[in-house]
Parts: sequence; structure tokens; C-alpha cells
Amino acid sequence: EIVLTQSPATLSLSPGERATLSCGASQSVSSSYLAWYQQKPGLAPRLLIYDASSRATGIPDRFSGSGSGTDFTLTISRLEPEDFAVYYCQQYGSSPWTFGQGTKVEIK
Amino acid sequence: EVQLVESGGGLVKPGGSLRLSCAASGFTFSSYSMNWVRQAPGKGLEWVSSISSSSSYIYYADSVKGRFTISRDNAKNSLYLQMNSLRAEDTAVYYCARDSDYGDYGIFDVWGKGTTVTVSS
Repeated sequence: EIVLTQSPATLSLSPGERATLSCGASQSVSSSYLAWYQQKPGLAPRLLIYDASSRATGIPDRFSGSGSGTDFTLTISRLEPEDFAVYYCQQYGSSPWTFGQGTKVEIK
Repeated sequence: EVQLVESGGGLVKPGGSLRLSCAASGFTFSSYSMNWVRQAPGKGLEWVSSISSSSSYIYYADSVKGRFTISRDNAKNSLYLQMNSLRAEDTAVYYCARDSDYGDYGIFDVWGKGTTVTVSS
């Protein structure tokens, strides 16, 4: 099973700032089969990025993903008030699909 | 509107059973693989089970294998999760999630709002 480790656990930033979230895998994620989700309190997760760098339908271009192998990054170029939430990475390159433990982006 | 609506959650004693349902609408249900993903209180996401569009392929997380059974009825646009021998650690919000058509299995592009399962005596 591929273990995903996200860092930092919490990121305290102000609106307008840049957010950089990391996701490390215990072994290489085949074909960069990595996704990022956003989850707000009491709501279901929302798909942001798939295949490491492709934005899902309707996702603003301030969200971008990069990386390959064992190191992946989600970048939010300029934080909007609605971006403060928990973000999860997920690999679907090998079964079982696994998620990271999440990074909370909070208002500083 | 594409929508998934879960139901069937509740309070059950350890060792008990529960059957979750997920009603799909707004898309051709029979064309998509479907999944269950759960989230324990205050914790992260855990994939539970997947079923292919025609039920030919079924997968489970080790944590539920032998206790949970996923199924679907394409005529009723519905997904199910039969949960037996429930344990306290199965307590979670259970989400129904659709596999995307981005080309790879395991990308969850539509999610329901979830149904809460609590296992406690």
C-alpha cells in the first residue's frame, strides 16, 4: 500500500498569499496518478486536480498541481476567502487507492 | 443536475448490520464505476470499495474485506453497501463517489453529501 504524507499539517496564511502544499509518497506513484481534493467543514470533498497537474472541470486557474514519482505539490497562487479548507492528496496508481492525512489551510 | 444521495446510516451495535444506499441522478449511472469512501470523525478520507459499471470488477479495502459487500442496480440507478459484523472503528461518514470519465479509475469527481454510521453499544 502506498502511504501518502502531507506537509505541513496546518498552513496559516492571509488572503492574497501563495499557498504551497506538499504530498510525499512512500513509493513511486505510477503514471503520476495523483489527485487533490478540497474539503470544507460539513461538506463532501471536491476534486481539484487529477493526473498530478490537470485541473478538474470548473476549477479556477489559481489552483495548480505539479510533481511526479514520489513528490507532488498543490499551489494556490493567491488565496481567496473561500480557499480556506482542508486539502487531501490521493493516489490511484495502485490498489488500494489511498489518501494523505490532509493539510488545513487556515486564515492567519 | 448530477447528484448522488446516500441513505441508510444510523446507530448500530457492534456486530450488527446496516445497508447503505446511494441514489444517482443526472447522468448515465450504468456507464460509471462507483465507490464508497468513508471519513471517521475528525479524521481523513479512506477508500472503502469500488464496483465497475457492469459489476464485473469489485474491490475492497483490507479493513472491510469479508464484512462489507458492494453492489449496484443499474435499472434503479442505485449503489449499495451491505455492512456486516460492524465494529466501533467503522464509525464514519460514508460517501458515495463516482469515478470520473477523465480516463483513469480512482478519480472521484462527484460525491454525495454522505450518511453517518455510528457503531456503539
